[in-house]
Amino acid sequence: QQQVKQSPQSLIVQKGGISIINCAYENTAFDYFPWYQQFPGKGPALLIAIRPDVSEKKEGRFTISFNKSAKQFSLHIMDSQPGDSATYFCAASSKSNYQLIWGAGTKLIIKP
Amino acid sequence: NAGVTQTPKFRVLKTGQSMTLLCAQDMNHEYMYWYRQDPGMGLRLIHYSVGEGTTAKGEVPDGYNVSRLKKQNFLLGLESAAPSQTSVYFCASSSGQASYEQYFGPGTRLTVT
Repeated sequence: QQQVKQSPQSLIVQKGGISIINCAYENTAFDYFPWYQQFPGKGPALLIAIRPDVSEKKEGRFTISFNKSAKQFSLHIMDSQPGDSATYFCAASSKSNYQLIWGAGTKLIIKP
Repeated sequence: NAGVTQTPKFRVLKTGQSMTLLCAQDMNHEYMYWYRQDPGMGLRLIHYSVGEGTTAKGEVPDGYNVSRLKKQNFLLGLESAAPSQTSVYFCASSSGQASYEQYFGPGTRLTVT
């Protein structure tokens, strides 16, 4: 029940295309859903996050879509650029302990 | 501000050797975490601390010990290294209550032969 399942494991998208990464969770107590971006040789860094009281959050080219009834959330990267090539992690947390439960990660490659 | 720093950046150990990884943060954060990252497995929590002098076990604590004697430092120890502990280790910190965002260090790549 604590797991966060992330797919796909890897993704190749042409420059200018839309990248979509999906995550699913079971624990209905989760109330915070972030996406982290990690470049090779670096630690993960927060990209964008959403709480379950909204269905969508947009920051620039990055959008989180959230479906509370399906217990799923996804990251959409519009107009994908080579500089977006990185590993993306979804996560979830609850107020009970503020620990993040992580997805397995998606390696995204944007082809020029 | 340096944020979260980790030393060393790389280390090679022989099976059975011990070592300590140091994490330091200058953001006055209450919470600190140690993760390991292995291919295809995401980030797994080893130990964490919710304040100076406190520590708690995470998902994969066996073979590791931690200490938080000062608020800004969180140490991860390997008592008797095993090849299964070959991994990239990340330290993170967060302000704690009402704040979920974690700030990560650059990582330590550890190889145990």
